Amino acid sequence: NAGVTQTPKFQVLKTGQSMTLQCAQDMNHEYMSWYRQDPGMGLRLIHYSVGAGITDQGEVPNGYNVSRSTTEDFPLRLLSAAPSQTSVYFCASSYSAWVDTQYFGPGTRLTVL
Amino acid sequence: TQLLEQSPQFLSIQEGENLTVYCNSSSVFSSLQWYRQEPGEGPVLLVTVVTGGEVKKLKRLTFQFGDARKDSSLHITAAQPGDTGLYLCAGLNTGGFKTIFGAGTRLFVKA
Repeated sequence: NAGVTQTPKFQVLKTGQSMTLQCAQDMNHEYMSWYRQDPGMGLRLIHYSVGAGITDQGEVPNGYNVSRSTTEDFPLRLLSAAPSQTSVYFCASSYSAWVDTQYFGPGTRLTVL
Repeated sequence: TQLLEQSPQFLSIQEGENLTVYCNSSSVFSSLQWYRQEPGEGPVLLVTVVTGGEVKKLKRLTFQFGDARKDSSLHITAAQPGDTGLYLCAGLNTGGFKTIFGAGTRLFVKA
């Protein structure tokens, strides 16, 4: 099993550009989520999904879109990048949302100029 | 809004010393987890505590969940340089589905 994979590892964008961060898992997990990690602020939940076709907002959803067309994939779209979205982004998955181990990907370091 | 406050934010100690990291909230959580994160990697789960008052031990690490399920602590006995890293507590809200993370405690253990 590859676990949770994320691409790209690093990305630099200009303000206003759009892009998609990819996330895939091969563990047949129902629950997937996206977090951003900023210095001194821990991880903050952006969006999550409890299964294919079902998504919902987390703490900081503005400026981001998600979709879950398959169990394996959960892409995160930045609609119009802003410098405030400079961060490290982590995707995670777990068998369920209840009292379960979340497996994290290696992260994507995004810089918006 | 549910918040988890971790303390201390930074801890630098000598090998062999003991330490305790605290995670506090005014909110009740259905469960609480502790993760450890190395530079350039995602967090890795250390333990999940579910029942108020629960104590779990993982070798030299002892985790406790408060009776009211609002706070937790991580105690490390005889710290080693390999314990160096960022320790994060995370609470699952009582409605499920959303995990709230603390800001983390960065631990450095000097040989």
